[in-house]
Amino acid sequence: EDQVTQSPEALRLQEGESSSLNCSYTVSGLRGLFWYRQDPGKGPEFLFTLYSAGEEKEKERLKATLTKKESFLHITAPKPEDSATYLCAVQAISSNTGKLIFGQGTTLQVKP
Amino acid sequence: EAGVTQSPTHLIKTRGQQATLRCSPISGHTSVYWYQQALGLGLQFLLWYDEGEERNRGNFPPRFSGRQFPNYSSELNVNALELEDSALYLCASRGARYEQFFGPGTRLTVL
Repeated sequence: EDQVTQSPEALRLQEGESSSLNCSYTVSGLRGLFWYRQDPGKGPEFLFTLYSAGEEKEKERLKATLTKKESFLHITAPKPEDSATYLCAVQAISSNTGKLIFGQGTTLQVKP
Repeated sequence: EAGVTQSPTHLIKTRGQQATLRCSPISGHTSVYWYQQALGLGLQFLLWYDEGEERNRGNFPPRFSGRQFPNYSSELNVNALELEDSALYLCASRGARYEQFFGPGTRLTVL
């Protein structure tokens, strides 16, 4: 069964304190792995897509990496405005629906 | 370029009533996905529409249904509302490289 597990569930950082969020996945053939940011009560905001192991994408203080079993979202020198829930999702090649399978998310709080 | 839009923002219904939620995808996108995000749970796939047809549904009862119109906008209907249907309902449209772009959601509260 295709599955996504994110850790930790919650993360508290001081402003400027870099860290990483983990997304472990099992899928019968990966079409793509997606990272989203979600603020409370809002829809997820698309951040990155990674398609193959070894791929990396960057956007401001965020960098996403991908291996055959997991993805990391590295946050460098975070600011309070980076506080949000970060969601990881996968899409399986075997799925003819294109649906995304989501993890439970990591809630990040950055204190000034 | 306008993003995915959803209406209404909030919807309050009582048990047994019907709810109708609406979604307009990004211009040029033909695939629309619906997800449910209940409190404490992750996003769960509900329905997929493409080119006006329902292509697949998730593990939800038949009282969750919908349709897609010729302009690719979509409607989600929930009949015989139950308390556990209270959730944030999210619509997404699919881009050229399988990424999905989400709307702001409709918060449905069932009393």
